[in-house]
Amino acid sequence: EPEVTQTPSHQVTQMGQEVILRCVPISNHLYFYWYRQILGQKVEFLVSFYNNEISEKSEIFDDQFSVERPDGSNFTLKIRSTKLEDSAMYFCASSDSRRNQPQHFGDGTRLSIL
Amino acid sequence: QKEVEQNSGPLSVPEGAIASLNCTYSDRGSQSFFWYRQYSGKSPELIMFIYSNGDKEDGRFTAQLNKASQYVSLLIRDSQPSDSATYLCAVISGGGKLIFGQGTELSVKP
Repeated sequence: EPEVTQTPSHQVTQMGQEVILRCVPISNHLYFYWYRQILGQKVEFLVSFYNNEISEKSEIFDDQFSVERPDGSNFTLKIRSTKLEDSAMYFCASSDSRRNQPQHFGDGTRLSIL
Repeated sequence: QKEVEQNSGPLSVPEGAIASLNCTYSDRGSQSFFWYRQYSGKSPELIMFIYSNGDKEDGRFTAQLNKASQYVSLLIRDSQPSDSATYLCAVISGGGKLIFGQGTELSVKP
């Protein structure tokens, strides 16, 4: 069964450094998402992406965050200058051509900011 | 602020029993409803989705939707210890994003 893959599984970074989290969505999916989950808290929406542009972003997704689809397969989340409170699990998800269809999640990247 | 509410639990049931998980949502315009299972330290795994009022069954799982009451539930029949996890209710908001509840922790005792 096709799946969403994310790399790396764990990223440790010094505060203030830039990080890039990578995702390969399911190949025939057109809608892409990033979510995060701080330890012990709800899964929170960050951003959605369709047709090479951001469809929607949350209040969390400020100027420090950006997303990109650099080629036909990868979907990346960049955090320019990390803060301690960015420590969380980051999940990539994708869904097929209809927006309200189920979203399938990758295994996540655990981001630890020191 | 659109919200999804769940009892955090833990909900403890004996092996073989029916586990009943409940969820309410605030956005009356919501059309798509999902249940995800999340094991500790892992990602959400899609269990069920439901779009229409009534029941939808898939194996041991039944999702129930009542749009008038803004209520979604998940029944797990013949609960197994391997079902022990946190169950997340999620609703799609207008732009396609998922809004998650805080999750209900289920513990199935052998």
